[in-house]
Amino acid sequence: AQSVTQPDIHITVSEGASLELRCNYSYGATPYLFWYVQSPGQGLQLLLKYFSGDTLVQGIKGFEAEFKRSQSSFNLRKPSVHWSDAAEYFCAVVLSGGYQKVTFGTGTKLQVIP
Amino acid sequence: EPEVTQTPSHQVTQMGQEVILRCVPISNHLYFYWYRQILGQKVEFLVSFYNNEISEKSEIFDDQFSVERPDGSNFTLKIRSTKLEDSAMYFCASSYRGETQYFGPGTRLLVL
Repeated sequence: AQSVTQPDIHITVSEGASLELRCNYSYGATPYLFWYVQSPGQGLQLLLKYFSGDTLVQGIKGFEAEFKRSQSSFNLRKPSVHWSDAAEYFCAVVLSGGYQKVTFGTGTKLQVIP
Repeated sequence: EPEVTQTPSHQVTQMGQEVILRCVPISNHLYFYWYRQILGQKVEFLVSFYNNEISEKSEIFDDQFSVERPDGSNFTLKIRSTKLEDSAMYFCASSYRGETQYFGPGTRLLVL
């Protein structure tokens, strides 16, 4: 069955530390891949996306993600976390070809400690 | 930068009442969507809309739900007779070509 998995429900990191949030997908073909962030009480903001080409994509707020076809993964990284990064992060996919629904992972809640 | 907007931000209603959630998609976008997020759960797709008709809907989107694009700027979700389990955050999204969807800030609906 098609699915998006975020194995970490909750992650705590110290401010200034590096961050990696994991995402795996299970689809017949490589879908379009996204990371969205939801700050408390806020909507869903697009961080970055991958359609094809260079497997390392840069996004807003200093985030990047790497697509690894062999692992069906699209992990989100940030070299140095800021307190304002505390939020919930959702990996999401759209079947290639576009115009179809976004399927979200269950989300990873990031806590940043001083 | 253009944004998707939604009104109201919060709505409280009594069970059995009708509610209309409003969205203004980004102006040149052609594809429109509604999603919902029940508290503590993941975001779920409800319906997609293109060329003035529904292109896909989920099992959640039953006869109690309807969508409309009444004019060139608004996109609405109507729930005819709300149930307690309709309490959720409802997100509108829009897309120009269908591959990247931009989400609004959401409407938090509470059904009492």
